[in-house]
Amino acid sequence: EVQVVDSGGGLVQPGGSLRLSCAASGFTFNRYSMNWVRQAPGKGLEWVSYISSSSSTIYYADSVKGRFTVSRDNAKNSVYLQMNSLRDEDTAVYYCARDWSASFFDYWGLGTLVTVSS
Amino acid sequence: EIVMTQSPATLSVSPGERATLSCRASQSVSSKLAWYQQKPGQAPRLLIYGASTRATGIPARFSGSGSGTDFTLTISSLQSEDFAVYYCQHYNNWPPGRFTFGPGTKVDIK
Repeated sequence: EVQVVDSGGGLVQPGGSLRLSCAASGFTFNRYSMNWVRQAPGKGLEWVSYISSSSSTIYYADSVKGRFTVSRDNAKNSVYLQMNSLRDEDTAVYYCARDWSASFFDYWGLGTLVTVSS
Repeated sequence: EIVMTQSPATLSVSPGERATLSCRASQSVSSKLAWYQQKPGQAPRLLIYGASTRATGIPARFSGSGSGTDFTLTISSLQSEDFAVYYCQHYNNWPPGRFTFGPGTKVDIK
């Protein structure tokens, strides 16, 4: 059974940092690209970052470019999102999601809440 | 950048009725479109990909159609568990790996 478990959210002050983790199981992790998608309270879905299966290709949304860094460890079946210089507008539930060949998202984590507030 | 719009923002439907949701792209995305369902407090769930292919385990009352810029998600007979927010998403970017969602349509009980 495919499982994606995201974690690491919490309360952080503006300008602070946080690292999210995503642990995957039930599939051959090193064959799939992974993504982070976020949802601000009461708002829609916003794609945040993409990392290819070998980490050779990485993309970010303009809203987080230069502040967030995505990485993965295929030996640990995990993907990470390092978030620096956090802003109030980064407050959201962050979902880790597997994509099918850089197309649609077929498996999602339950989400982890990041709250940026003083 | 391709912009996605969805209409209506809210759709009020009675159980057992048909619901028709629209998604429009600002330029052609071919058939590279997916639909998701999201219930309160839950992660999104993939319903449709390739504009018209149901994902694994999705009931036949959900169907998708369209290509190019205009797409439709139809729920043939709404069940109580179908009241949720529905998002479309295109994946026609080049190079692949960047994604855009529509703003969503909330389907609520009439």
